[in-house]
Amino acid sequence: AQSVSQHNHHVILSEAASLELGCNYSYGGTVNLFWYVQYPGQHLQLLLKYFSGDPLVKGIKGFEAEFIKSKFSFNLRKPSVQWSDTAEYFCAVNAPSNTGKLIFGQGTTLQVKP
Amino acid sequence: DSGVTQTPKHLITATGQRVTLRCSPRSGDLSVYWYQQSLDQGLQFLIQYYNGEERAKGNILERFSAQQFPDLHSELNLSSLELGDSALYFCASSLRPTANTEAFFGQGTRLTVV
Repeated sequence: AQSVSQHNHHVILSEAASLELGCNYSYGGTVNLFWYVQYPGQHLQLLLKYFSGDPLVKGIKGFEAEFIKSKFSFNLRKPSVQWSDTAEYFCAVNAPSNTGKLIFGQGTTLQVKP
Repeated sequence: DSGVTQTPKHLITATGQRVTLRCSPRSGDLSVYWYQQSLDQGLQFLIQYYNGEERAKGNILERFSAQQFPDLHSELNLSSLELGDSALYFCASSLRPTANTEAFFGQGTRLTVV
């Protein structure tokens, strides 16, 4: 069965620190990859997505992610975090391609200290 | 605001009872998804509908059922409720039922079974 693994469950950073959240998936075929963010009390919002093409994907709010097929990874990065980035981050994979269902990782809670 | 509306926002009910959660997709979206978010299981896909027909099924219990109506709104029915059914239930919608499509999430319905 497909699965998504997020390495860090809880990350604490100071403002201006760099962020990298790990995500690995287990599926050998074509995949579509997503990062969603859930701010406290709010709905899941899409940060960025990868369908094909350039493996370095830029999203909203200064986030980016790199798809490395050989490593089955899709890590999320941000050079300098802000207090407002405090939220829960979910990596998700969409496969097989004939449905739109998403398989989510367990999520990473990011706490940014001012 | 994602454009996906879920009602009610909160629901408290007793074990053994039956509840109905409602979802209105974004205008123009034909596909609806239901997800369950709990502390121990994380975000799990339950079921997907497209234009009134079931498209994909996840780990949805037999006590749970869903449908999508001609006006494209969807309802998730949970019966014979158990304490372990307490969770946040998200609805999402997308234009297409397949991959390569972004899903937009509602704010969720928090169900508490006492």
